[in-house]
Amino acid sequence: EAGVTQSPTHLIKTRGQQATLRCSPISGHTSVYWYQQALGLGLQFLLWYDEGEERNRGNFPPRFSGRQFPNYSSELNVNALELEDSALYLCATTPSGGANTGELFFGEGSRLTVL
Amino acid sequence: GEDVEQSLFLSVREGDSSVINCTYTDSSSTYLYWYKQEPGAGLQLLTYIFSNMDMKQDQRLTVLLNKKDKHLSLRIADTQTGDSAIYFCADDPYGGSQGNLIFGKGTKLSVKP
Repeated sequence: EAGVTQSPTHLIKTRGQQATLRCSPISGHTSVYWYQQALGLGLQFLLWYDEGEERNRGNFPPRFSGRQFPNYSSELNVNALELEDSALYLCATTPSGGANTGELFFGEGSRLTVL
Repeated sequence: GEDVEQSLFLSVREGDSSVINCTYTDSSSTYLYWYKQEPGAGLQLLTYIFSNMDMKQDQRLTVLLNKKDKHLSLRIADTQTGDSAIYFCADDPYGGSQGNLIFGKGTKLSVKP
């Protein structure tokens, strides 16, 4: 069974540009979470989508946005990129309803570098 | 807000036991977790403990929870070089209702042969 897949693996952008990252969940999973893993900051929660709706968002500015498609895959968009947006962006998925037992299934991440 | 703290580095010799410690601030946590991140990979759940338990053992892993002190630890017995990774403690203060876990910054475990 395929795990959580993320694309692209690496992305290099310059300040002010936009980045789009994609995530495909495990078959049967409907909840998608996005986390930012910046150097020295651990994992910071960005967004949670469940059944196509945004359910919760972390303490990030509005230029971080996303959506979830009918097939439960998800996109994370970062507008007006800043140098400090350079990080590993991790997607995690669970069956519907949130991480009730805590097992988030993570992808390998998309490494965004902003120059 | 809720916070999870853990030391950043731990170095042990192969065959020794490793103990990774974590403290958290939220008193309403339902579950507490340990995730492992190997180089170049995403996180993988190692184990979790329900908040009404004091201890959980799973093969070489022992999790201890002191709810009074809000302290969680992960003990790895007979540590191997393959255990070298970053270990994240995570807290579920919302009981799954808000969907996100609160992660510590991770403890990098280095195992020397």
